[in-house]
Amino acid sequence: ETGVTQTPRHLVMGMTNKKSLKCEQHLGHNAMYWYKQSAKKPLELMFVYNFKEQTENNSVPSRFSPECPNSSHLFLHLHTLQPEDSALYLCASSPEARGALYEQFFGPGTRLTVL
Amino acid sequence: QKEVEQNSGPLSVPEGAIASLNCTYSDRGSQSFFWYRQYSGKSPELIMFIYSNGDKEDGRFTAQLNKASQYVSLLIRDSQPSDSATYLCAVDVYSGAGSYQLTFGKGTKLSVIP
Repeated sequence: ETGVTQTPRHLVMGMTNKKSLKCEQHLGHNAMYWYKQSAKKPLELMFVYNFKEQTENNSVPSRFSPECPNSSHLFLHLHTLQPEDSALYLCASSPEARGALYEQFFGPGTRLTVL
Repeated sequence: QKEVEQNSGPLSVPEGAIASLNCTYSDRGSQSFFWYRQYSGKSPELIMFIYSNGDKEDGRFTAQLNKASQYVSLLIRDSQPSDSATYLCAVDVYSGAGSYQLTFGKGTKLSVIP
């Protein structure tokens, strides 16, 4: 595996379900990110982890719960979601999250549909 | 509210022409500027970054940065149908405690007509 991988690629869930999204990066990076991409809206940063520590939480509802067990893996745990949470969820990684000079590499995304 | 503005398009150019994509940003402290390309149904991929005022060229792509005007652009020379995609401008915005966040524009959809 190379780059940033995400599973599953597609997920349909009911509002009462609990599911998790997984992201793995094979780039030796130390920072990982979750973004949400909805139609006709810019990419929205949700969470940032730098060296396994959460450094940003952009006022994300508690029904989204991130987990970063190590610098290569990132999870997004989902529970009691709403239909408006349907979107493409993108994971990204970069060498680190501090400092002005960094480039982020994106995974293929998980297309989430909440019924 | 730190913002990044782009025309949503679509921008249509004939094959072989120059496509010019523009982006303005509101945070004067921003230091890093990125252009991502996103094909329909795919994730964004980095194509150019620029940190200094002026032009930066990479193959058919040229990024231009003017910090005084808070303006960054991407020129694509000899446009090809395969360049048809949405181009996202991203700007780093200081979020405190030494951390920066990438703030994205909504993207400009480019269509290159054969």
